[in-house]
Amino acid sequence: DVVMTQSPLSLPVTLGQPASISCRSSQSLVYSDGNTYLNWFQQRPGQSPRRLIYKVSNRDSGVPDRFSGSGSGTDFTLKISRVEAEDVGVYYCMQGTHWPGTFGQGTKVEIK
Amino acid sequence: QVQLVQSGAEVKKPGASVKVSCKASGYTFTSYGISWVRQAPGQGLEWMGWISTYNRNTNYAQKFQGRVTMTTDISTSTAYMELRSLRSDDTAVYFCARVLRGVNNILTGYYYWGQGTLVTVSS
Repeated sequence: DVVMTQSPLSLPVTLGQPASISCRSSQSLVYSDGNTYLNWFQQRPGQSPRRLIYKVSNRDSGVPDRFSGSGSGTDFTLKISRVEAEDVGVYYCMQGTHWPGTFGQGTKVEIK
Repeated sequence: QVQLVQSGAEVKKPGASVKVSCKASGYTFTSYGISWVRQAPGQGLEWMGWISTYNRNTNYAQKFQGRVTMTTDISTSTAYMELRSLRSDDTAVYFCARVLRGVNNILTGYYYWGQGTLVTVSS
């Protein structure tokens, strides 16, 4: 299975400051159709996961534009330009290029 | 609006089976598949498998092969996940999510999720 490695696992951030989460895959996530099936999810305490980003950099409707995704091949990043209180939670990357789909360990974002 | 509503919490003894349901509404059930993902207490997300609601094809993660069965009932727009021979480390919240398997064989989606079902395995 493809291993997804996130860093850091814990990210204390000051309100209004930027945050960045790295996700690395053990194999390239570029599929034969040229797409890269890498998603980012946010999970707030006690809630179901919420998809934020699909195919590396496509933001879902309703997701604030302070969230952005980038990367290619095996190296991906989720950035929050200015962290707000509602951004507290655990963030997961997930690859869908290779079966089975696999998730990163999660990065816990908290306010300093 | 699209909704996935799961069955309530379960408490099971080791060795027993559990069957969790996921009732879909707000879309054509057979146009999308269902994936199951679980989350042990304080842990991350783990993909368990997928079922096509169109032809009932399944694909299970190797870890669960032989212990899990995913089924659907199109008359009630409900997907089911049964896990057998339960162990204490199966204690987790089980989620269903709507997915789409494209002609390229890739599963996309994971935009709509159920609320989760806590399964506790304890003697």
